[in-house]
Amino acid sequence: GAVVSQHPSRVICKSGTSVKIECRSLDFQATTMFWYRQFPKKSLMLMATSNEGSKATYEQGVEKDKFLINHASLTLSTLTVTSAHPEDSSFYICSAESRLAGVVDTQYFGPGTRLTVL
Amino acid sequence: GQNIDQPTEMTATEGAIVQINCTYQTSGFNGLFWYQQHAGEAPTFLSYNVLDGLEEKGRFSSFLSRSKGYSYLLLKELQMKDSASYLCAVREWRRKGGSYIPTFGRGTSLIVHP
Repeated sequence: GAVVSQHPSRVICKSGTSVKIECRSLDFQATTMFWYRQFPKKSLMLMATSNEGSKATYEQGVEKDKFLINHASLTLSTLTVTSAHPEDSSFYICSAESRLAGVVDTQYFGPGTRLTVL
Repeated sequence: GQNIDQPTEMTATEGAIVQINCTYQTSGFNGLFWYQQHAGEAPTFLSYNVLDGLEEKGRFSSFLSRSKGYSYLLLKELQMKDSASYLCAVREWRRKGGSYIPTFGRGTSLIVHP
């Protein structure tokens, strides 16, 4: 149980285009999903917290107009990188919270999306 | 906010035991997680501690002392496949947005050699 899928796994795009990344919880409902980006050999950097049916909460320094997040249902959140530039190239990972044995909400991660902007 | 500190890199021998430490400073503590991440892959959940003490799960154990802001992950009978980055994550209540937010340390790169 607690499987999270992410699509696409890898995308290469031209500078100026927009890219949409989907995150789905396959066998559970997730009221909260998180979006991270990770640079090589660096830790996960939280970009935003996405709650179903409400606006995402962005971390300081993350442009909400550039990284559009939509949490349309309890099993789907999307991240759209608008007008992508080479500096947006990174590994984007989503996670969804699932109650662990009825005790605590823990995060389960999607497999990540490798974005390369040319 | 919080400050999470863990060693950058550790090496160990196959079959041995290794302990990876994590210290943190936070308010509104609501649990500490350990994740394993292989290169190019997403993190996978290993363990969770919210009360003081040791949680054992097969070859992996995790310990927490809330008063000291300290945790460790203990890996026994090391295997080559255990070579990975180990991430310590602390969960705290964030008033902004009204959510529990986990923050990750930089990770400890563990290298297991024969």
